[in-house]
Amino acid sequence: DGGITQSPKYLFRKEGQNVTLSCEQNLNHDAMYWYRQDPGQGLRLIYYSQIVNDFQKGDIAEGYSVSREKKESFPLTVTSAQKNPTAFYLCASSWGGFSYEQYFGPGTRLTVT
Amino acid sequence: SQQGEEDPQALSIQEGENATMNCSYKTSINNLQWYRQNSGRGLVHLILIRSNEREKHSGRLRVTLDTSKKSSSLLITASRAADTASYFCATDASGNQFYFGTGTSLTVIP
Repeated sequence: DGGITQSPKYLFRKEGQNVTLSCEQNLNHDAMYWYRQDPGQGLRLIYYSQIVNDFQKGDIAEGYSVSREKKESFPLTVTSAQKNPTAFYLCASSWGGFSYEQYFGPGTRLTVT
Repeated sequence: SQQGEEDPQALSIQEGENATMNCSYKTSINNLQWYRQNSGRGLVHLILIRSNEREKHSGRLRVTLDTSKKSSSLLITASRAADTASYFCATDASGNQFYFGTGTSLTVIP
């Protein structure tokens, strides 16, 4: 099966702890993306990577970090510096940049208390 | 601020009726995409229309793009209960600017 997976589906953390969300794809896509979605709102871009070992900040990168050591993997770390981390996090991938359709994972719902 | 704004925010129709939702954006774009999201799930790509195209069809979906008005519309014909979802437009502007709209929540009543 080809696709994009995110784990875990639900994640609970205490305030002040860093947490890493996993995103893996076996579609051989070059580009990968992380979005945040708050209730009743659209998606906001956190980080994106168009090639291994390179990534760029999106609109709301503060308090987040990423790495792209392998083509298949693009983990997102939500740091304690992120003031409102509770949200639904979506990972996506595409063949190229933003001119291509994106394939989304099922999402991770993070709750920080 | 987000590039795309959808209208209406919510739409409720009877099964078999057509559903139309609109997206307006602010700057010049390379392409515009429409996505569907079922509650609590990831997004599914529906259709991509490039800035030099005016209309595109895919099954029961029809998308139009008016770059002079900076707007796009998504028409779903002969709606089904399974079409109940949120629909988002996303714009690809120059300079690696990519924005999703706020979405239209569609409910199709059986």
